Parts: sequence; structure tokens; C-alpha cells
Amino acid sequence: DAMVIQNPRYQVTQFGKPVTLSCSQTLNHNVMYWYQQKSSQAPKLLFHYYDKDFNNEADTPDNFQSRRPNTSFCFLDIRSPGLGDAAMYLCATSRGSGVEIYEQYFGPGTRLTVT
Amino acid sequence: AQTVTQSQPEMSVQEAETVTLSCTYDTSESDYYLFWYKQPPSRQMILVIRQEAYKQQNATENRFSVNFQKAAKSFSLKISDSQLGDAAMYFCAYRSAEYGNKLVFGAGTILRVKS
Repeated sequence: DAMVIQNPRYQVTQFGKPVTLSCSQTLNHNVMYWYQQKSSQAPKLLFHYYDKDFNNEADTPDNFQSRRPNTSFCFLDIRSPGLGDAAMYLCATSRGSGVEIYEQYFGPGTRLTVT
Repeated sequence: AQTVTQSQPEMSVQEAETVTLSCTYDTSESDYYLFWYKQPPSRQMILVIRQEAYKQQNATENRFSVNFQKAAKSFSLKISDSQLGDAAMYFCAYRSAEYGNKLVFGAGTILRVKS
């Protein structure tokens, strides 16, 4: 049973053309995260939502935006993708309180190619 | 800021043998969580094992165990009776117990299992 779903799994976009990546979850978790993972590197947190409260990492470029219209869905918008934005984008979720707050559940990722 | 270091970019182990993956971290906090995540090729990242810093006892999950040395800021993962399905990228990660939900990942270790 899929718990964190990312669509599409592979996305190709043109240099400068806006693109949106989607994440949904069936876990009813409070917190949703977006990570960027470049080839053979560690995932890097871009931002996260705690319910509707948006938390941006200090070094996340302005080119990256996010929306969370409801508990289940979260979107990553890249306004003007550059070649350096080609990466795997991982969505993750976790509880906001309780015993299991520290475990994050990851989706399969969306691999973004910029041409 | 916390940092996580994995000094072994790649490791190999013979099937049924034991392998240890190294991880060190740097923090000024006294309470935190440590994790090992497994990322198989083209598959989603999953949690392998976690350790609460306040617990002296090393965590164990079936064939996976950790050697947590708090004073030395070391958190190694031991995989016993290695199986072909253990082949993956392994990430060590740190999470503050007090400040936010952020996971800080190491650069990862690719584990190859030979039959």
C-alpha cells in the first residue's frame, strides 16, 4: 500500500519553463518535507510544512516554492528551472507529535531532467 | 550547525558475511536522534534503525545493529548475515530532539553485496 506517492516519477522540463512536482500521502501526517538529492549526494532539505505552517531552509533558492492545499497534498514549484536544478526530488512525511514524531516516510522521488 | 560524516563512499561484503558502516557526527546538543536509512536503486528510502541519544543501549533490528558511542559522536551500523537485498545506498542521519523536524544526512555509503 503506497503511503507517500509522488507524481510523476520522471519529469523532463526545458530550461526556464516552470514545473510542478506533486506529493500526496495516505498517512494523515502533520508534516510534509521536500528534499533535493543530486546524483550520489545526500538529500538536502528545501522546506517543510507543519500543518499549514511553512518553514523554509535559509539556503533554499527563491526559485523554489511550495504549496500545501490540504493535509494530503503538497506541491513543489520550480519557477525557472536551471540546469543545476536537475536532481531527484524526494517528498517525506512525519507525525507532528506523539511517539513516532521522529520517523520520516519517504516517497519514491521524482527525477527531474532539465534540457 | 550539525554535520554528519560518512567516510566510506563504498563498501563491499560477501553474502552471509558481516559488514560495518561508519558514521560520525558533530553537535553541541545533548538530546537528539540518529538514524540509518537505506535507499535501494530506484526505490524509496526506508528507515533501517534509529537510536535515541539518551538511551545507552544500542538499538537492534533483526540483522541490523548499531554501535552508538555518544562521547566519541560515533554511530556505526553493523549488518550481519548480509543478503543480496541489502545492496543499497545507506545514509546516516541526525535529528535534533528540540529544534525542528530537520534531518541532516551524511553523504552516504554504497554497499555492494557479492554472491
